[in-house]
Amino acid sequence: DGGITQSPKYLFRKEGQNVTLSCEQNLNHDAMYWYRQDPGQGLRLIYYSQIVNDFQKGDIAEGYSVSREKKESFPLTVTSAQKNPTAFYLCASSRDSDGSNYGYTFGSGTRLTVV
Amino acid sequence: GIQVEQSPPDLILQEGANSTLRCNFSDSVNNLQWFHQNPWGQLINLFYIPSGTKQNGRLSATTVATERYSLLYISSSQTTDSGVYFCAVGNYGGSQGNLIFGKGTKLSVKP
Repeated sequence: DGGITQSPKYLFRKEGQNVTLSCEQNLNHDAMYWYRQDPGQGLRLIYYSQIVNDFQKGDIAEGYSVSREKKESFPLTVTSAQKNPTAFYLCASSRDSDGSNYGYTFGSGTRLTVV
Repeated sequence: GIQVEQSPPDLILQEGANSTLRCNFSDSVNNLQWFHQNPWGQLINLFYIPSGTKQNGRLSATTVATERYSLLYISSSQTTDSGVYFCAVGNYGGSQGNLIFGKGTKLSVKP
């Protein structure tokens, strides 16, 4: 079945450590997105990529980095510069780069906790 | 950027009841989606509906783009409908190319 796979489901980060969240899709979608969700809140956009080897900052990109070397993969690195990284991270994809006429498909998320 | 407001923030229903969730947005959009987030965090796309009306089983949605609102109807609610319902909007080619999410409506359906 086609879909988006995020790993790991749970991740614990020590102070000052960089961690990388994985996102892989086999839907042949052009565009991919990373969102952050805090308790009781909506989703906020971190980064998005409309095509391989290209990506743009979203609303809360500080302290995060991404790469898009393959169409199927869009990993997110949470760096030590992100002062409050504890949150639920969701990866999504859409068929067209402008998102028109098709909905977003989401992965099952990664819960990141600073210890 | 575009502002998205959802109401009510919380809703408690008895199983079998009907409900209407509302999404207001502050600017013209050409992308509007409704999502359901289950208690485990999984987001499922319910509708892509920048305008018009769609139905899928017990769920239906209507967007009146000229008046900048969308409604999600849930009929004969079931306990599995519990979770958070998000509305998200965007304006590709305009000022907001990516989806902006509202804060959601938390629905609890009691048996």
